[in-house]
Amino acid sequence: DAKTTQPTSMDCAEGRAANLPCNHSTISGNEYVYWYRQIHSQGPQYIIHGLKNNETNEMASLIITEDRKSSTLILPHATLRDTAVYYCIVPRDMRFGAGTRLTVKP
Amino acid sequence: KAGVTQTPRYLIKTRGQQVTLSCSPISGHRSVSWYQQTPGQGLQFLFEYFSETQRNKGNFPGRFSGRQFSNSRSEMNVSTLELGDSALYLCASSFSVGTNSPLHFGNGTRLTVT
Repeated sequence: DAKTTQPTSMDCAEGRAANLPCNHSTISGNEYVYWYRQIHSQGPQYIIHGLKNNETNEMASLIITEDRKSSTLILPHATLRDTAVYYCIVPRDMRFGAGTRLTVKP
Repeated sequence: KAGVTQTPRYLIKTRGQQVTLSCSPISGHRSVSWYQQTPGQGLQFLFEYFSETQRNKGNFPGRFSGRQFSNSRSEMNVSTLELGDSALYLCASSFSVGTNSPLHFGNGTRLTVT
């Protein structure tokens, strides 16, 4: 199973873009990269996923490097409500690491 | 479309008792997974069911069991409760078990064992 590495914590100013990196150097060719976030006392919320092309939805953008060994989740205009723990996982279901605690500051 | 529903929301049990937690997936979703979340261990995978069959199982003792019904609803059971079983138990559903099928989580059942 692939493993992911994320920074423990990050800060971002409100209104600015938040760029959350993730390394997944052992990813297999058919494995998707998934991003979830968890706000205290709630279940994780699905954000976005991708295989090799960049993806965008109403919540975020996902940039995957050409060699697929790393990816970046981009929240284009972070708000205080985006403060949460962000998880990058590969494969889709089993391994949730510690994630990145993103704090958006006014 | 309604999200994943977990009942009860909170539960208090004593050591040695057993407990059953319930999960109703999103309509049309046939896969249900269960996770345990504790401050020390984070999110840990318990098991996954698809079409009433257990497809994957995490590294938990046999006291933890589950099942899925024909309508895709799922239950998990923990027998002979221990203090260390106190945790947030999360259920997630997905359309299929393929790698291109996101998980959608409920808000969990918080179990306290005294």
